[in-house]
Amino acid sequence: ETGVTQTPRHLVMGMTNKKSLKCEQHLGHNAMYWYKQSAKKPLELMFVYSLEERVENNSVPSRFSPECPNSSHLFLHLHTLQPEDSALYLCASRRTGGPYNEQFFGPGTRLTVL
Amino acid sequence: DQQVKQNSPSLSVQEGRISILNCDYTNSMFDYFLWYKKYPAEGPTFLISISSIKDKNEDGRFTVFLNKSAKHLSLHIVPSQPGDSAVYFCAARADNYGQNFVFGPGTRLSVLP
Repeated sequence: ETGVTQTPRHLVMGMTNKKSLKCEQHLGHNAMYWYKQSAKKPLELMFVYSLEERVENNSVPSRFSPECPNSSHLFLHLHTLQPEDSALYLCASRRTGGPYNEQFFGPGTRLTVL
Repeated sequence: DQQVKQNSPSLSVQEGRISILNCDYTNSMFDYFLWYKKYPAEGPTFLISISSIKDKNEDGRFTVFLNKSAKHLSLHIVPSQPGDSAVYFCAARADNYGQNFVFGPGTRLSVLP
């Protein structure tokens, strides 16, 4: 238990569906991240929020839309996804204010797009 | 082009022996390096880190070595235990990367009883 929770743990959706992934951290951190992990590839950074402002958007297609309503919650809204978007989506949080603070990861959402 | 490389996708080691996992990087601006461990159906968990001002950091059975001139770091686990079987990710950050960390593709370690 890392203090970062993600729901749902598994999601199967069609290409025309709209769904949302949720991440919640109970660690008092002020930066939150979305990563995508495809098979045998490094974790790919998608978005970073620091103090509830999006500070990085790593050329992610607009069919992925993040939302950070407060420092404890992070959402990833999905619409009209493609089969190649099937992957493990990981959320992480971190305390800013120091370069040596590690990230704490949630368990991930395994997404399958049919 | 990957900035953090883990060239061995997998490694098998006998219980009680030493496991050595390697990581190479290309960006000389990286100043902080971390190792994460990931079990199936769980997110990565932080294991150990090292700042670029050091060449070694030790925590129990885990030691990380950094060779800046070679842009190489390694994680030593001794003695290896079956519970160490997992995927190990190397990660790096640089001051000019803001909040971003760059991850390697991971090495799957199997410790055989």
